[in-house]
Amino acid sequence: ETGVTQSPTHLIKTRGQQVTLRCSSQSGHNTVSWYQQALGQGPQFIFQYYREEENGRGNFPPRFSGLQFPNYSSELNVNALELDDSALYLCASTPLGPGRTEAFFGQGTRLTVV
Amino acid sequence: GESVGLHLPTLSVQEGDNSIINCAYSNSASDYFIWYKQESGKGPQFIIDIRSNMDKRQGQRVTVLLNKTVKHLSLQIAATQPGDSAVYFCADKRGYGGSQGNLIFGKGTKLSVKP
Repeated sequence: ETGVTQSPTHLIKTRGQQVTLRCSSQSGHNTVSWYQQALGQGPQFIFQYYREEENGRGNFPPRFSGLQFPNYSSELNVNALELDDSALYLCASTPLGPGRTEAFFGQGTRLTVV
Repeated sequence: GESVGLHLPTLSVQEGDNSIINCAYSNSASDYFIWYKQESGKGPQFIIDIRSNMDKRQGQRVTVLLNKTVKHLSLQIAATQPGDSAVYFCADKRGYGGSQGNLIFGKGTKLSVKP
């Protein structure tokens, strides 16, 4: 167990709708990142939050947004859902400390857009 | 663009044999290279990492080799077990200031262990 939990585990939405995915990481993990993993592909970096502010973003449009809260939880919001947004969404948190590289991933939320 | 990629999409080995999974990278500025294991229905699990100024690092039953000359990374698994069956990703880590940086993943290699 990584101590990172995501909810819900599965979700079906209609094209054009909005969705909020949630992540709860371990105490002391000050950085949370979100990744999108399409079927048969490696995870793609969406963005990262550090001390409750966005600190790095991948090649994703502004309709992908997020929040990080003081209690180590985080949200990923996606507006105007498209069919191509169907994927596994992974949350990863990283512990404090210099040179710490291991990111602890949750089990993911499987989003299906129909 | 910059990417991390894998040589082979699938690898099948006999239980007890050693496995070698290869990875090529293009970004020479990466700080760390990391291997992840992803089992079906789960998120990626950290296996081992290696700093860019190292050539080799060993863990429990795993060894990572880094060849910066040819920009190649490999993961060796000794005495492969059925529980090692999974998709393996290499990733490189690129830092942002005081944060922990983000990971750039390759497509993955599916390892199947035959009993």
